[in-house]
Amino acid sequence: NAGVTQTPKFQVLKTGQSMTLQCAQDMNHNSMYWYRQDPGMGLRLIYYSASEGTTDKGEVPNGYNVSRLNKREFSLRLESAAPSQTSVYFCASSPLVQADTQYFGPGTRLTVL
Amino acid sequence: SQQGEEDPQALSIQEGENATMNCSYKTSINNLQWYRQNSGRGLVHLILIRSNEREKHSGRLRVTLDTSKKSSSLLITASRAADTASYFCAPETSGSRLTFGEGTQLTVNP
Repeated sequence: NAGVTQTPKFQVLKTGQSMTLQCAQDMNHNSMYWYRQDPGMGLRLIYYSASEGTTDKGEVPNGYNVSRLNKREFSLRLESAAPSQTSVYFCASSPLVQADTQYFGPGTRLTVL
Repeated sequence: SQQGEEDPQALSIQEGENATMNCSYKTSINNLQWYRQNSGRGLVHLILIRSNEREKHSGRLRVTLDTSKKSSSLLITASRAADTASYFCAPETSGSRLTFGEGTQLTVNP
């Protein structure tokens, strides 16, 4: 039982490049989330998916797109990376979206030059 | 959704001492959760306290909840260097998803 897995662990991009961050969970959770965390700051929600087939914007969605591929997988895409998107990205999942315990992946450290 | 505010922002203590972190929130809640984040890692759920509970223990962790003051505290007793981490509270409100604040950065010096 791996919990929440994320790939890649590290990535360096040049401004304007695109990439997709992958996330998968094996806990049969309905809800999944993408957060970013900048130095010395808390987590900011980018997008979330309350259930398979649905996605919603969080606090900071600009510059990102998401896909809930199936119940297990939730990907985050940067179409044209900018230096402001340099951050650590965390994926999380929970049984339900309403106020339920969340389980986090190990994170992806992204640097945009 | 409602965000908790952790206080202090940073706390530095010696190994063996107790560490107390506080969380305040604004509106009525159902439950409140505490999470820990080790450097460079994802958050890990520590403990959940329900609105009808005043105190809850889990190993060296003690959480209190005062709904009249809209506040909670997390006490770590006999701290260890391995307790060095950021700690976040997450108040639960009916029908809303969790929101995380900026956390308290705890440093336990050997």
